[in-house]
Formats: sequence, structure tokens, C-alpha cells
Amino acid sequence: SSELTQDPAVSVALGQTVTITCQGDSLRSFYASWYQQKPGQAPLLVIYGKNNRPSGIPDRFSGSSSGNTASLTITGAQAEDEADYYCNSRDSSGNHLVFGGGTKLTVL
Amino acid sequence: EVQLVQSGAEVKKPGESLRISCKGSGYSFTSYWISWVRQMPGKGLEWMGRIDPSDSYTNYSPSFQGHVTISADKSISTAYLQWSSLKASDTAMYYCARSDYGDPETFDYWGQGTLVTVSS
Repeated sequence: SSELTQDPAVSVALGQTVTITCQGDSLRSFYASWYQQKPGQAPLLVIYGKNNRPSGIPDRFSGSSSGNTASLTITGAQAEDEADYYCNSRDSSGNHLVFGGGTKLTVL
Repeated sequence: EVQLVQSGAEVKKPGESLRISCKGSGYSFTSYWISWVRQMPGKGLEWMGRIDPSDSYTNYSPSFQGHVTISADKSISTAYLQWSSLKASDTAMYYCARSDYGDPETFDYWGQGTLVTVSS
């Protein structure tokens, strides 16, 4: 079992806002990073650190953190945002890395 | 341009050994961690372990410690993931990914993946 917990599935209407969460004790000490994975593709970094976007990632993607929960928010979801989203961070020992179980985002 | 290029798909029998590779280019290979990530069919991402190519220091997930070996040859900017005796349960896509020493949980570049199929 993962030390980071994500909801298995979330849906959002086209153009609306959706938040995907990631919970874990280690998130009280470390930031989460977020990855988007589409079928047949390698994961793609979308958010890291406090709320940083790599070059080329649309600004509708944002991140936040509070207590033991990290969140990825998509403001104005597009059809192309339909994908699996994974968080990752360090484990509670801080010595290893761990991924959340992933959230399948459906854009209706 | 930063690239991580992985070796091609493999089909193996249970009990066989295997080494897959990940070649970095477009950056200083010895300035970043290389991690390996497993994705079993239809499942999520699992961090297996990482290597510091500058000194070959390794750090494994407890779930994978003793089951695989991560190594690197900095002279050719290549990291490896190795099995001595494959099992059917090793069937998966394997990705390598780069992360900064100061931000090890942020994988900013990924390889294209290597599909390993283990079947008798």
C-alpha cells in the first residue's frame, strides 16, 4: 500500500474546475510533485514544489498544500486534460520516494 | 535538449537474467539522480530506487531491495536496472527518470519506457 493516498477517480465537466488531492503524513514535511500520464505515454511533470509549473505546462494547472494534503487544481478543464494523475513525495522516513495510487480524471 | 533514451522491449523466460538501460544526454549526467519506476499492466507508478551516477550510491525502495540492482556507467552516461532471475510478476513497463539532488522527488525528465514481458 502507498503512503500517499489519492482518490481513484474524479470527473469534471468541460470548462469547470477540479481538484485532485493527495494525502500522507510525509506531506507535512515535504512538497508533492504531480504527474500527468496519458495512455501509452510516459508520465509528464505538471507541478512541483510549492506551486511551480515546468515550461510548457498551461497555467490552468496549479498546486497547493495544507497539513497532510497536497492538491492539484485544474481551472477550466479541457478535454486533453483527461488522464491519470499521480502525486509523489518522500516517504515518512524521508529516505525513500513514493507515489500515490493515482487518480483517473474524466472530463465530461 | 535533455533526453533519457531507454533500451528496447524485452521478452524473457522465468529464471532468466536481464539488464535494461537508460542513456542520458543533453545535460551533466553526474549532476542528477536517476530513478527507476515500475508500472505493472493497468496499475500505478511505483518507485523502485535511484542512483547517484557521480559515485554510484544507490537507494532502494524497501519493496524492491534485494530483487533488482541499479547501477550506472558515468563514462557513457548510462544507468541500468538488472534482474538475476526474472519472475512472471516482473512483467511491466519500466521507466527511468531524472531528479535534482536538492529536489529528489521531482522527476523532470522521463525515458520513453522499456516493456519487459516474462512468460514461459
